[in-house]
Amino acid sequence: QVQLQESGPGLVKPSETLSLTCTVSGGSFSGYYWSWLRQPPGKGLEWIGYVQYSVNTNYSPSLKSRVTISVDTSKSQFSLRLNSVTAADTAMYYCAREGAVTPAFDIWGQGTMVTVSS
Amino acid sequence: EIVMTQSPATLSLSPGERATLSCRAGQSVRTDLAWYQQKPGQAPSLLIYGASTRATGVPARFSGSGSGTDFTLTISSLQSEDFALYYCQQYNNWPPYTFGQGTKLEIK
Repeated sequence: QVQLQESGPGLVKPSETLSLTCTVSGGSFSGYYWSWLRQPPGKGLEWIGYVQYSVNTNYSPSLKSRVTISVDTSKSQFSLRLNSVTAADTAMYYCAREGAVTPAFDIWGQGTMVTVSS
Repeated sequence: EIVMTQSPATLSLSPGERATLSCRAGQSVRTDLAWYQQKPGQAPSLLIYGASTRATGVPARFSGSGSGTDFTLTISSLQSEDFALYYCQQYNNWPPYTFGQGTKLEIK
């Protein structure tokens, strides 16, 4: 079955750029919407944005100025870049797939913890 | 941005009891609503979409109802594995998709 796996540094310095990659395996990559979400410690879920193919992206207005989500279909991967990070960006970061019949997130990665600290 | 409000924040019940979790949207989301379950140290998993359709593999004791602004997740007879965090999410009006703050279902 389809599996998602996040990868990237667990520690990022303030003002620098957070970069994560999600690798999709076990199923089709094309045609789906692929999202990044995050969850600060002890808090709720926040949607960051999605990508479909290489040109169709959509971002949360609150993060739009700092976020880029891109895709590499040849590797079945999509990536997140978040610029100018602060301690408020410390969170568990999840990649997830929107379902074929619903925009709900039907498959999630296990998540990767990113801490912003000097 | 549509604000999603869940109640109660914490629900304490015993195994075998019926659980009723509520989610209210700040404006109508029709039936574009999902419920997720999250256990400690795990990613959320999809339970319900379209307000009332169970995701693949979700037991029949989970049911969702509602439309517009008021939604309910019901667990008919609690099993030990059901004690977890539950989130609702709207996908009617975006960006952004928005989630409720969660309901913690704990063992009484």
